[in-house]
Amino acid sequence: EVQLLESGGGLVQPGGSLRLSCAASGFTFSSYAMSWVRQAPGKGLEWVSGISGSGGSIYYADSVKGRFTISRDSSKNTLFMQMNSLRAEDTAVYYCAKDGRPGRVRDFDYWGQGTLVTVSS
Amino acid sequence: DIQMTQSPSSVSASVGDRVTITCRASQGISSWLAWYQQTPGKAPKLLIYAASSLQTGVPSRFSGSGSGTDFTLTISSLQPEDFATYFCQQANSFPITFGQGTRLDIK
Repeated sequence: EVQLLESGGGLVQPGGSLRLSCAASGFTFSSYAMSWVRQAPGKGLEWVSGISGSGGSIYYADSVKGRFTISRDSSKNTLFMQMNSLRAEDTAVYYCAKDGRPGRVRDFDYWGQGTLVTVSS
Repeated sequence: DIQMTQSPSSVSASVGDRVTITCRASQGISSWLAWYQQTPGKAPKLLIYAASSLQTGVPSRFSGSGSGTDFTLTISSLQPEDFATYFCQQANSFPITFGQGTRLDIK
């Protein structure tokens, strides 16, 4: 059974940093691209970043480019998101999501339960 | 960036009704279109990928069609568990983008 378990969310002041983790199990982690998708309270879905199975290809939304860094550790089956220079508009539930098929980032067949990031003074 | 526009933004329907939601891309995306269902407090669930392929385990009352810029999600006979918010998502190019969502309510 595929499971994705996020952690690392919380309350942080503007300008601060957080590191999100997503522990994956139930599939061959290195074969699938992974992404982070966020959802601000009461709003729609926003794709944040994606990384190929090998980690060699990385993509970001313009809204986080230069501030967030996605990475993965296949030895630990874990996806990460380092978030720096956080802003109020980064407040959201952050989901990690597994790609539906081996290859590049396309669509997401499994999602974690989400972790809430709140940026506020 | 490719903009995804869904219509309607909300719709009210009854159990047993047929409902169609549309999604329009600001430029051609071939068939790289997915549909998701989300209920309050839950993560999204993949329903359709590649515009018309039904994800494993999803009931056959859900179907998708379209290519290029215009796509539709159809629910043939609404069930109580189908009242939720639906999102389309383009997977043709980065950044990946979602539609704003369509809320499906009970009439």
